Amino acid sequence: IAGITQAPTSQILAAGRRMTLRCTQDMRHNAMYWYRQDLGLGLRLIHYSNTAGTTGKGEVPDGYSVSRANTDDFPLTLASAVPSQTSVYFCASSAVAGQSTDTQYFGPGTRLTVL
Amino acid sequence: GQNIDQPTEMTATEGAIVQINCTYQTSGFNGLFWYQQHAGEAPTFLSYNVLDGLEEKGRFSSFLSRSKGYSYLLLKELQMKDSASYLCAVRDGDYKLSFGAGTTVTVRA
Repeated sequence: IAGITQAPTSQILAAGRRMTLRCTQDMRHNAMYWYRQDLGLGLRLIHYSNTAGTTGKGEVPDGYSVSRANTDDFPLTLASAVPSQTSVYFCASSAVAGQSTDTQYFGPGTRLTVL
Repeated sequence: GQNIDQPTEMTATEGAIVQINCTYQTSGFNGLFWYQQHAGEAPTFLSYNVLDGLEEKGRFSSFLSRSKGYSYLLLKELQMKDSASYLCAVRDGDYKLSFGAGTTVTVRA
């Protein structure tokens, strides 16, 4: 079934450790996104990529980095995790960024706990 | 960022109708989306409005008034499986999508 996969499903991490969350889509979508979802705050955009080879900062980029080496993969890295990064992380993709009809589709999420 | 407001919680009875309101203030507007999210799962796309008026999709309808910065999602003939969070999201002038905090709907038998 086509869609978006994320790994790991969940992770408990010690503060200060480095962690990469993986995201892969097989829909040949140009744009990909990383969000975090916290209770009472809704989904907040961390980083995005409109097309392979380009990335941009969202609303809450500090402490996170991304890369987009190809169309399918969009990993999110926490260089040195802190407890405030405990959250559920969703990866999303859409066909073409910059169009009003463009719809984002979400992966199953990664639940990250930083102790 | 954008300012998107929706109620935190709503409760309704199976078979009833529930209306979830969303008000927004954005710099530019390029469409409004509604997503459904069951507990522990990913958001899934429900509807999209870019012009004023009502869009109907089976038991779900979504309305938009751009001049009032207002939308609602109408859920008819409620079923137990409709218990979920409903997220209002607005695409701004830079084509960035901003989400409200979500409305948790509980359907009671």
